[in-house]
Amino acid sequence: GQSLEQPSEVTAVEGAIVQINCTYQTSGFYGLSWYQQHDGGAPTFLSYNALDGLEETGRFSSFLSRSDSYGYLLLQELQMKDSASYFCAVRDGALTGNQFYFGTGTSLTVIP
Amino acid sequence: DGGITQSPKYLFRKEGQNVTLSCEQNLNHDAMYWYRQDPGQGLRLIYYSQIVNDFQKGDIAEGYSVSREKKESFPLTVTSAQKNPTAFYLCASSTPDHEQYFGPGTRLTVT
Repeated sequence: GQSLEQPSEVTAVEGAIVQINCTYQTSGFYGLSWYQQHDGGAPTFLSYNALDGLEETGRFSSFLSRSDSYGYLLLQELQMKDSASYFCAVRDGALTGNQFYFGTGTSLTVIP
Repeated sequence: DGGITQSPKYLFRKEGQNVTLSCEQNLNHDAMYWYRQDPGQGLRLIYYSQIVNDFQKGDIAEGYSVSREKKESFPLTVTSAQKNPTAFYLCASSTPDHEQYFGPGTRLTVT
């Protein structure tokens, strides 16, 4: 089966840096994605890592270590609007097509 | 503008009734997905389709059915067999680079 673990809640100060970790177990790993979801809204795509290393997109960076079954999302220069839930998701490329398995989410609260 | 539309935003039904949730996309994506999200939880896959006229069950397909007669459309029917249908339902489509675009969701309440 598949399982993903991430912290349930994180609090950080505006302007600071925060790291949200994700560890996973899956039978057929092809890549790790990160999504942001504000209360009541739909998830929006942040990043996708298929290979080991760090991917940077503006204030957000995502890291993957396939050997450790581990990744993280790094948010820099935190802003109040970054308060949201963040989900990691594993892409499992089974014979029947791509499936995505989501973690239970990390609720990030940014305080002044 | 390209995107995914879901309707309605809120839906109320009596127990025992089937209900169909609409999902349409104009992004020209082949792959489409239905997820269910319960309060404080992640997304769980109900069904997915990689191509027209083909679809596969996800982890929680029991009590649901789908069709994929057109590339743009992937409707989900919540049947009376689904024991706990009240939830937030999200439809998504995926690029070849595995970026998923989500619709605004439908909140279904069954009483």
